[in-house]
Amino acid sequence: QVQLVESGGSVVQPGGSLRLSCAASGFTFTNYAIHWVRQAPGKGLEWVAFIKYDGSDQQYADSVKGRFTISRDNSRNAVYLQMNSLTGEDTAVYYCAKDRVAVAPTGYYGDYWGQGTLVTVSS
Amino acid sequence: EIVMTQSPGTLSVSPGERVTLSCRASQSVGSSLAWYQQKPGQSPRLLIYSASARATGVPGRFSGRGSGTEFTLTISSLQSEDFAVYFCQQYEKWPPWTFGQGTKVEI
Repeated sequence: QVQLVESGGSVVQPGGSLRLSCAASGFTFTNYAIHWVRQAPGKGLEWVAFIKYDGSDQQYADSVKGRFTISRDNSRNAVYLQMNSLTGEDTAVYYCAKDRVAVAPTGYYGDYWGQGTLVTVSS
Repeated sequence: EIVMTQSPGTLSVSPGERVTLSCRASQSVGSSLAWYQQKPGQSPRLLIYSASARATGVPGRFSGRGSGTEFTLTISSLQSEDFAVYFCQQYEKWPPWTFGQGTKVEI
């Protein structure tokens, strides 16, 4: 069965950095794009970043552009989110989501989501 | 950026009732609209994609309709496990994916 497992969330000071990981299994990882989506406590969903199935394209929300970097290691079935210059507004549960459409030139929607990892930015 | 607006914010209903949730896009998204269900402490679950196609394993009581800027999600007979927050998301013009603010369906 499809599984996505996020890790790496913790408490970090403002201005700090953190690297999140998303470990995937149960599907042909190299065929699917992965998205990161976050949810601040008690709030709605905010798309953060996308990486194409082959890693050739990355897209970011304006709110994180220049601070976050998404990457993938297809040999390890993993996606990463490097987060720098963190602020309190980055406090959220971060989910990775598998895009539903295989070998797609763009993103569509997430058919499987991980359980999330909590990032808290606080001094 | 396309803004997605859901209504109402909260819906108070009883089990067995028929429920319709609305989602409006600030510009046309064609049929590139997905619906998700999220229960407390859980991650979102895909219910509907392409405005009206049910995702794998989603019960038949869930149905989606609409195109362009107006969309609805209907639960024909609400079950106890359906009490949750529902989000719509457009993927026609992205980045970014944009989500509605959610509709909470409560008892």
